[in-house]
Amino acid sequence: QSALTQPASVSGSPGQSITISCTGTSSDVGSYNLVSWYQHHPGKSPKFIIYEGSKRPSGVSDRFSGSTSGKTASLTISGLQPEDEAEYYCCSYAGSSTWIFGGGTKLSVL
Amino acid sequence: QVQLQESGPGLVKPSGTLSLTCAVSGGSISSSNWWSWVRQPPGKGLEWVGQIYHSGGTNYNPSLKSRVTMSVDKSRNQFSLNLSSVTAADTAVYYCARQLLVRGMDVWGQGTTVSVSS
Repeated sequence: QSALTQPASVSGSPGQSITISCTGTSSDVGSYNLVSWYQHHPGKSPKFIIYEGSKRPSGVSDRFSGSTSGKTASLTISGLQPEDEAEYYCCSYAGSSTWIFGGGTKLSVL
Repeated sequence: QVQLQESGPGLVKPSGTLSLTCAVSGGSISSSNWWSWVRQPPGKGLEWVGQIYHSGGTNYNPSLKSRVTMSVDKSRNQFSLNLSSVTAADTAVYYCARQLLVRGMDVWGQGTTVSVSS
């Protein structure tokens, strides 16, 4: 099992939209629509923001959206706000009752 | 609402066993959820360690499986992680989390830092 591949960093200006990719294999992202996304601010606990590829938990802003195509899942954040600056992680079911995270993407809001 | 709180030693000697407990409050550990452990080594990303169901069923990260044991104590509404034969590579912030079956981890503890050092 290798970590899902995410870009190390992305950046955007307030009000803009950004997309973070999460690339896996045919054993994880490509086989199961079970990708979740987490926002992680330093020193805090991760926050659950997307599940099953594109669904938002109750209370999560609709500025966050997710999608999956083949072996790649994506998280899009629209209308960037300064408080969106954080590390973002994808996580996928990897079969055999195991889960795997991506390496994380640092979002900078310039 | 459900809250989770990790506890355990902050320092473990190399070759020793790391033992952590996660107390569940505001809900029952016997609900239809898995209970997970996730860790984050310094400067690195999140790593799924494993999960346990209230029945005692477990699933572990294949890379840690030989060293990991998880257990649940329904009477105390808590679950635990034991990681044996630790090395410096096991130094990390350890989080416990509630996993909504296959949806994702929706509630997290605040995390506890464990250092492996002599």
